[in-house]
Amino acid sequence: SQQGEEDPQALSIQEGENATMNCSYKTSINNLQWYRQNSGRGLVHLILIRSNEREKHSGRLRVTLDTSKKSSSLLITASRAADTASYFCATGDGANSKLTFGKGITLSVRP
Amino acid sequence: NAGVTQTPKFQVLKTGQSMTLQCAQDMNHEYMSWYRQDPGMGLRLIHYSVGAGITDQGEVPNGYNVSRSTTEDFPLRLLSAAPSQTSVYFCASSYSGVRNTEAFFGQGTRLTVV
Repeated sequence: SQQGEEDPQALSIQEGENATMNCSYKTSINNLQWYRQNSGRGLVHLILIRSNEREKHSGRLRVTLDTSKKSSSLLITASRAADTASYFCATGDGANSKLTFGKGITLSVRP
Repeated sequence: NAGVTQTPKFQVLKTGQSMTLQCAQDMNHEYMSWYRQDPGMGLRLIHYSVGAGITDQGEVPNGYNVSRSTTEDFPLRLLSAAPSQTSVYFCASSYSGVRNTEAFFGQGTRLTVV
């Protein structure tokens, strides 16, 4: 069963706007990761946040983690048409290396 | 800089046939795994390996076998293909879970069972 549940399932925004995607999970984690998948391609790692971190930045990406609420958010600022893709959160428990993925969010950025 | 290489990219099988999906990585990663991706289901873990000679089951292992004789290779075998195994299969690798580093994915194998 999926550990992470992303919200919303689909998001459509205008180029230049910010995109916020949320992920909730059920059990304790060691880290949480976000991945991007372009249509017909494999997944590409975006950012990893550890359970003892609250916020992390990477370029136009900002991820937050609230372990008390078992939730994370991914913010993409100043979105571009090239950001159109599916985004997945994945949780790692640290015990045996397994990553558990959510069902993903489809982001469409209109030019 | 190959990363994770999966072959073939596309495959059509008849019900009952067997085949092996190949996965190779050149990053000396200890951890390798196989996922299947179905519409609306996200990625589900089939089997994984934490090192050569060690494999374990994931969430949906039935109908699949794996082995890990070398660090580089992690083939996935379909024993007797069924239409329910129509899916896109992804292989991934990473350093050991102790470091919890990012996973690198192959480009996928799109399998259709008729």
